[in-house]
Amino acid sequence: SQELEQSPQSLIVQEGKNLTINCTSSKTLYGLYWYKQKYGEGLIFLMMLQKGGEEKSHEKITAKLDEKKQQSSLHITASQPSHAGIYLCGADDGGAQKLVFGQGTRLTINP
Amino acid sequence: EAGVAQSPRYKIIEKRQSVAFWCNPISGHATLYWYQQILGQGPKLLIQFQNNGVVDDSQLPKDRFSAERLKGVDSTLKIQPAKLEDSAVYLCASSLSSGYGYTFGSGTRLTVV
Repeated sequence: SQELEQSPQSLIVQEGKNLTINCTSSKTLYGLYWYKQKYGEGLIFLMMLQKGGEEKSHEKITAKLDEKKQQSSLHITASQPSHAGIYLCGADDGGAQKLVFGQGTRLTINP
Repeated sequence: EAGVAQSPRYKIIEKRQSVAFWCNPISGHATLYWYQQILGQGPKLLIQFQNNGVVDDSQLPKDRFSAERLKGVDSTLKIQPAKLEDSAVYLCASSLSSGYGYTFGSGTRLTVV
């Protein structure tokens, strides 16, 4: 089955700085989802990528899926305290029609 | 459109007790998922329903966990008896069909003491 590896596992940045979170898959990605989670709560959908080379942005967050469709990155520009939380990448598990997740990246923003 | 509803939001029980969680998916969503997320890890699928039939329960510890989805709408997940290692966030998600677009509920945080 598909496995996702996120890096880094945790990240502390100064407010206003840019940052990138990576998600690497053991197999070709057919649907890659990014979610944000506050500690111990539900998942908030951020973006979904399907096509190799695809890039989507929402406010200060940009996600990309590389051409070979085995890696995705999430980039935050000019980070704010509201960006703090856990970021999870999830992928459609081949034809199984279910999501498998990476282990998450905990983001802390220092004022 | 109303989101995925889960209750309770928090639950604290003693080991060996039983507990049940409830999920109401988005109206019309045929597929319903229960995930377990131990803090510090990514969510892990416990069970997947298509309408009221089970598609995948390979990761469900069937000696203590059970789930049902009556009439293909609401679902309940039960743990009996609970162990300390069951402390986690239990997430319910639903999708329209064929795994396209997954919407998650707010989760139930379970603490077993």
